[in-house]
Amino acid sequence: GAVVSQHPSRVICKSGTSVKIECRSLDFQATTMFWYRQFPKQSLMLMATSNEGSKATYEQGVEKDKFLINHASLTLSTLTVTSAHPEDSSFYICSARGLAGAGNEQFFGPGTRLTVL
Amino acid sequence: RKEVEQDPGPFNVPEGATVAFNCTYSNSASQSFFWYRQDCRKEPKLLMSVYSSGNEDGRFTAQLNRASQYISLLIRDSKLSDSATYLCVVWGTGGYQKVTFGTGTKLQVIP
Repeated sequence: GAVVSQHPSRVICKSGTSVKIECRSLDFQATTMFWYRQFPKQSLMLMATSNEGSKATYEQGVEKDKFLINHASLTLSTLTVTSAHPEDSSFYICSARGLAGAGNEQFFGPGTRLTVL
Repeated sequence: RKEVEQDPGPFNVPEGATVAFNCTYSNSASQSFFWYRQDCRKEPKLLMSVYSSGNEDGRFTAQLNRASQYISLLIRDSKLSDSATYLCVVWGTGGYQKVTFGTGTKLQVIP
């Protein structure tokens, strides 16, 4: 199947700092990328949908000024958690969907575990 | 009512057993359906798509019932390695690109 990478896999930072997470589709072009957050023992929660070259669509309750998403190319999307606080500690997972007509399957990155001290 | 609902389990079944999971969705306009598998502290991995005609992949069979708005996953001859959380995923619940995950059903296959 298609491969999606995420970097970094784990990050620990101090409260108030910003953290950037990269999501790359390695062997296909991703017109759409998704960012999810998963708290322990809970389901994945969609944060935002990102289309290459346009602004991301954020889900209700997700602050767009806090979670900055950039999808500058068909293979790269970034999520920046600005001024992170301990409550932002979570497992952040990206997924990518291929070119239109290729089906709605999403392929997930391995996730980034963020711990804010 | 939640957009996508699953029985959280856990389902504890012996090796070799057959187990079935159901997932219901609230929006009749939903377009695509999938089952994903998620191991502890790992990312979800696509298990299979779900089609109206039903589809089978080895020991796994997925079915979609649009009239009753549910999808199912049947696992035959359970293996220890099947132990995981199975996530139901529904597309199109709020527009073309909106995707919703169920909370997952935990399966534990015991020797």
